[in-house]
Amino acid sequence: QQQVKQSPQSLIVQKGGIPIINCAYENTAFDYFPWYQQFPGKGPALLIAIRPDVSEKKEGRFTISFNKSAKQFSLHIMDSQPGDSATYFCAASLYSGYALNFGKGTSLLVTP
Amino acid sequence: DTGVSQDPRHKITKRGQNVTFRCDPISEHNRLYWYRQTLGQGPEFLTYFQNEAQLEKSRLLSDRFSAERPKGSFSTLEIQRTEQGDSAMYLCASSLNGVSDSPLHFGNGTRLTVT
Repeated sequence: QQQVKQSPQSLIVQKGGIPIINCAYENTAFDYFPWYQQFPGKGPALLIAIRPDVSEKKEGRFTISFNKSAKQFSLHIMDSQPGDSATYFCAASLYSGYALNFGKGTSLLVTP
Repeated sequence: DTGVSQDPRHKITKRGQNVTFRCDPISEHNRLYWYRQTLGQGPEFLTYFQNEAQLEKSRLLSDRFSAERPKGSFSTLEIQRTEQGDSAMYLCASSLNGVSDSPLHFGNGTRLTVT
């Protein structure tokens, strides 16, 4: 049973565009929502994370928007670059440092 | 490099053979996790340790899988009587329990191919 549902499966944007990746969760006990970036042949690396007591968090070009009532959160990548081409995973857990439930991933391609 | 280290990076084995993977976490991290990732999917939780104690195991972890962390430092994951369905990337991660917002740091994985 997929506890975190992620969409779209793949995304192509032009350089400078703003890709948006969406996730939805069911378990209201989840309290920690990170986004991971994964390049081929590498393990996932933490990009940014949010807790449900805030509606938005920004770090550099990456922004998480969080809607607690809808049980949804999304990742926005501002001024996307070809180097951002990677697979992005949303995840959720009961608290940070606990086992993560991952979405299925979004393969992002940023064209020059 | 002081990140999470996994060995080997690749393993090809024949069905029915046993395989063992090793993970060395970030040195001060007391929690260690094993995940499995198949092509086109997100990582799936298998098990985790706090120090040497195995605290949780997923239903995905069949009886053929066993994990250990004998001294609370490195960990091993053994798969007995491998099956073709075991082919996947096995990821190890570590974190520091007791610190707010301590994220999971992942290694680059061991890719297992069962022929």
